[in-house]
Amino acid sequence: AQKVTQAQTEISVVEKEDVTLDCVYETRDTTYYLFWYKQPPSGELVFLIRRNSFDEQNEISGRYSWNFQKSTSSFNFTITASQVVDSAVYFCALSEVRYGNKLVFGAGTILRVKS
Amino acid sequence: AAGVIQSPRHLIKEKRETATLKCYPIPRHDTVYWYQQGPGQDPQFLISFYEKMQSDKGSIPDRFSAQQFSDYHSELNMSSLELGDSALYFCASSLGLRDTQYFGPGTRLTVL
Repeated sequence: AQKVTQAQTEISVVEKEDVTLDCVYETRDTTYYLFWYKQPPSGELVFLIRRNSFDEQNEISGRYSWNFQKSTSSFNFTITASQVVDSAVYFCALSEVRYGNKLVFGAGTILRVKS
Repeated sequence: AAGVIQSPRHLIKEKRETATLKCYPIPRHDTVYWYQQGPGQDPQFLISFYEKMQSDKGSIPDRFSAQQFSDYHSELNMSSLELGDSALYFCASSLGLRDTQYFGPGTRLTVL
């Protein structure tokens, strides 16, 4: 069964600190996709990244970086030098090809960045 | 770039009334998904359509129905509304069943 666990309910940091959001997933499929979405206070869901199960390369995009490790079924997200605008709820999600691409989300992590 | 459009953005209904939410996917996207997000919760998949046919169904109540039209827009029809239906309803679209889903701004439904 598909499952995504984000154990950190809420994280508070001071601006310019680095912060890592954890995501652990469960799947029986060999072909799947992992995602991170950001939901700012305004409510929309903003796509950040997608990785497929065959690509374990880490990725960096500006202050954002992602670490995908199949051995530990983890897909962690790090924000370097956090800013107040990073304050949001961050969702990790999983989709399996054989289940029609529907997204299964984790419970989300609330990130509060204080100035 | 054009994004997913949802209307209305806000909707207030009374119990037992009906509501229709509309979704206009990104141009050329042929797949539409509906999700429901309750307060403080993660989005839950309701239903999806690919090329105007239902492709998958999640935890969608029997009181709800949806369809995708020939121009690929989709409508979610909700009848006999209950207080528990108050939520943020998202539509997402993708190009095919393996592409990234891009979300609309959501429709906030309040049932009084």
